[in-house]
Amino acid sequence: EVVLTQSPGTLSLFPGERATLSCGASQSVSSTSLAWYQQKLGQAPRLLIYGASSRAAGIPDRFSGSGSGTDFTLTISRLEPEDYAVYYCQQYGRSLLTFGGGTKLEIK
Amino acid sequence: QVRLAQWGAGLLKPSETLSLTCAVYGGSFSGYFWSWIRQPPGKGLEWIGEISHSGSTNYNPSLKSRVTISVDTSKNQFSLNLSAVTAADTAAYYCARRVYADYYYQLDVWGQGTTVTVSS
Repeated sequence: EVVLTQSPGTLSLFPGERATLSCGASQSVSSTSLAWYQQKLGQAPRLLIYGASSRAAGIPDRFSGSGSGTDFTLTISRLEPEDYAVYYCQQYGRSLLTFGGGTKLEIK
Repeated sequence: QVRLAQWGAGLLKPSETLSLTCAVYGGSFSGYFWSWIRQPPGKGLEWIGEISHSGSTNYNPSLKSRVTISVDTSKNQFSLNLSAVTAADTAAYYCARRVYADYYYQLDVWGQGTTVTVSS
């Protein structure tokens, strides 16, 4: 089973700042199998990024994903008030899907 | 626009079986895997398992002994049964569509979630 470790656990930033969220895998994963989700309180998760770097439909271009192998990054270029939420990375391989533990992005 | 609508009992007693159903509206039922994910209060996401339109299943090994996911293609619905529930199964349960094409595997459409509480 691939274990995904997200860091930091909590990130406190001002609106307008740049956010960098990390996702580390316990073994190399295919870039096409790596996705990022945003979850706001009381809501279902929403797909942001798939294939490590492709934005899902309707996702603003301030969201970008990068990385390969065991290290992946979600970047939000300029934080908007609606971006404060919990973010999860996810991978799929060998018929098993796993999520990272999440990063909570909070207003500073 | 594909939409997933889910329903099922929200309050169970220990040892009972959790049963949830998810209906798919507005899109193709074939060509995808249909997943269940849960989230205990204040915690992260846990994948439970999935089923294809043809009935092929994959389960999380940690839950496999208690989980059954089934599909009804005539109704474009899929269901989750989780047996012998305990308080540890208290969570929000989500259904979702998983893509599998060109080696992409993301969950691109989600249901609204169902809160399930296990309490005596």
